[in-house]
Amino acid sequence: EAGVVQSPRYKIIEKKQPVAFWCNPISGHNTLYWYLQNLGQGPELLIRYENEEAVDDSQLPKDRFSAERLKGVDSTLKIQPAELGDSAVYLCASSPGKKETQYFGPGTRLLVL
Amino acid sequence: DAKTTQPTSMDCAEGRAANLPCNHSTISGNEYVYWYRQIHSQGPQYIIHGLKNNETNEMASLIITEDRKSSTLILPHATLRDTAVYYCIVLQAGGTSYGKLTFGQGTILTVHP
Repeated sequence: EAGVVQSPRYKIIEKKQPVAFWCNPISGHNTLYWYLQNLGQGPELLIRYENEEAVDDSQLPKDRFSAERLKGVDSTLKIQPAELGDSAVYLCASSPGKKETQYFGPGTRLLVL
Repeated sequence: DAKTTQPTSMDCAEGRAANLPCNHSTISGNEYVYWYRQIHSQGPQYIIHGLKNNETNEMASLIITEDRKSSTLILPHATLRDTAVYYCIVLQAGGTSYGKLTFGQGTILTVHP
């Protein structure tokens, strides 16, 4: 069974540029999560989707971050404009349901110059 | 949120058992204990979880004390590839953060030849 797929794996951009990350969850998983992981820290939840509905986005900086999960499958996380402090690893995870085991993708490593 | 306390780092000799402790004294009766690990430059990998009873799978064993205030992850025969950061997490069971994983600093396990 294929795991969570994320792309790109690495991205280098200049500050003030937009950037987007894509996630394809495990087939059949209704719940999708985006996490942010700063260097030396554990992952922190940004947003959680139940199917196509964002049910917990309290930690998402809405002035520059946005996310969508059209049709309740793939998801895209966008930053516009990117700032130097956004340099981090962006992780996507999925689970069959909200109380069930989450499986993580490899992450996208973002460097903002 | 039920918080967890783990040692910052531990060492283990290859082939020996690695016993990683975790304290979660404020855990609620319906909250699960989850263990993940993160190998350098990869996404977190699910290891095992439990509620009250001890659990075992192909990767590890989880021992939960009777009062549920602490647990121990056991890797029975550690290999060099087990070198990673190990996270002990209490899965939230209520409110808007239902099902939310809150990662702490974790334990850096180093397996030596």
